[in-house]
Amino acid sequence: AQSVTQLDSQVPVFEEAPVELRCNYSSSVSVYLFWYVQYPNQGLQLLLKYLSGSTLVKGINGFEAEFNKSQTSFHLRKPSVHISDTAEYFCAVSDTNYGGATNKLIFGTGTLLAVQP
Amino acid sequence: NAGVTQTPKFQVLKTGQSMTLQCAQDMNHNSMYWYRQDPGMGLRLIYYSASEGTTDKGEVPNGYNVSRLNKREFSLRLESAAPSQTSVYFCASSAQPNTEAFFGQGTRLTVV
Repeated sequence: AQSVTQLDSQVPVFEEAPVELRCNYSSSVSVYLFWYVQYPNQGLQLLLKYLSGSTLVKGINGFEAEFNKSQTSFHLRKPSVHISDTAEYFCAVSDTNYGGATNKLIFGTGTLLAVQP
Repeated sequence: NAGVTQTPKFQVLKTGQSMTLQCAQDMNHNSMYWYRQDPGMGLRLIYYSASEGTTDKGEVPNGYNVSRLNKREFSLRLESAAPSQTSVYFCASSAQPNTEAFFGQGTRLTVV
């Protein structure tokens, strides 16, 4: 079965500093990978996704993530954060095989990014 | 373009009461999902419907039932609400089960 681990439940960072939010997955099959953002009292919104091709994926709001198959990781990065980036971030994985038994999104437990002035 | 619409946005129930959470999507998606979100536990899948006419249990199905009414609508029913079901519930949809999901704004449910 697939699983997603977000080791950091909370990441405090100062405004304009760089940030990396870690995501590791476990799967015996090829995967699709996603990062979502949730602002307070809102639903989840897709930040970026890796389906195939270049392992460096760029998303909205200046975020990017790199797929590392050997380390089974998909870490999210931003070179300079803003106060408005304060939110919860979720990593998710799914099986590339549409007909596979585990063919649905599996979410991590989330990382709260707290940007301080 | 409304996307995924959930109703109601807020609800307070007494223990033992029943209610149905409604969800509709206008993106012609095949797959629909119900998640609950609790502090420190992320999103947990309650039930999903990979395509119209099918439903399957997720990670935490006990105490819930679902109906895929048609391609657009997927409802979640609590037959006898318990305080442990106090949570924020999200409906989502996707073109296929393994592609990106689009989320509704959530329903904040309190069971007293």
